[in-house]
Amino acid sequence: EPEVTQTPSHQVTQMGQEVILRCVPISNHLYFYWYRQILGQKVEFLVSFYNNEISEKSEIFDDQFSVERPDGSNFTLKIRSTKLEDSAMYFCASSSGTGIQETQYFGPGTRLLVL
Amino acid sequence: GNSVTQMEGPVTLSEEAFLTINCTYTATGYPSLFWYVQYPGEGLQLLLKATKADDKGSNKGFEATYRKETTSFHLEKGSVQVSDSAVYFCALSDLDTGGFKTIFGAGTRLFVKA
Repeated sequence: EPEVTQTPSHQVTQMGQEVILRCVPISNHLYFYWYRQILGQKVEFLVSFYNNEISEKSEIFDDQFSVERPDGSNFTLKIRSTKLEDSAMYFCASSSGTGIQETQYFGPGTRLLVL
Repeated sequence: GNSVTQMEGPVTLSEEAFLTINCTYTATGYPSLFWYVQYPGEGLQLLLKATKADDKGSNKGFEATYRKETTSFHLEKGSVQVSDSAVYFCALSDLDTGGFKTIFGAGTRLFVKA
């Protein structure tokens, strides 16, 4: 069964450093998303992406964050200058559409630790 | 805005006990409803879904019925196993903003003892 994959599974970085989290969505999906889950808290929407542009973003997704689909298969989340509070599990998701019958399929997540 | 409220955990049960995890939602539209499961150290897995009123989603012995009149989507399983120990998230699809995002509840941690 097709699945969303994410790399790396774990990333440790120093505060102020840039990180890039990578995702390979399901191949025939057109809509891509990032979510994050701070330890012990709920999963929160960050951003959705379609047709090479951001469709929607939350208030969490400030100027430090950016997303890109650099080629036909990868979808990346960049954090330019990491803060301690960016430590979280980051989930990528994809869907084939946005209708009522659609489901988002989630990757296994990247656990980011900012020191 | 749309939101999901689910019962606080942790829930601790003995093996073969009956499980109910309550979930209610607030939505201005007509969302699809989901249960996701997160096993220790792993990502989110879709457990089941329902897209319209009175639909019953089911998978791996778990089931939940979309109740529009009570805005609920309670998760049930007749006989839990130790391997069901995980965090369970109730969620809905939010289409109101013209986009598509999933709104999650806070999660309920389930411990099943042998």
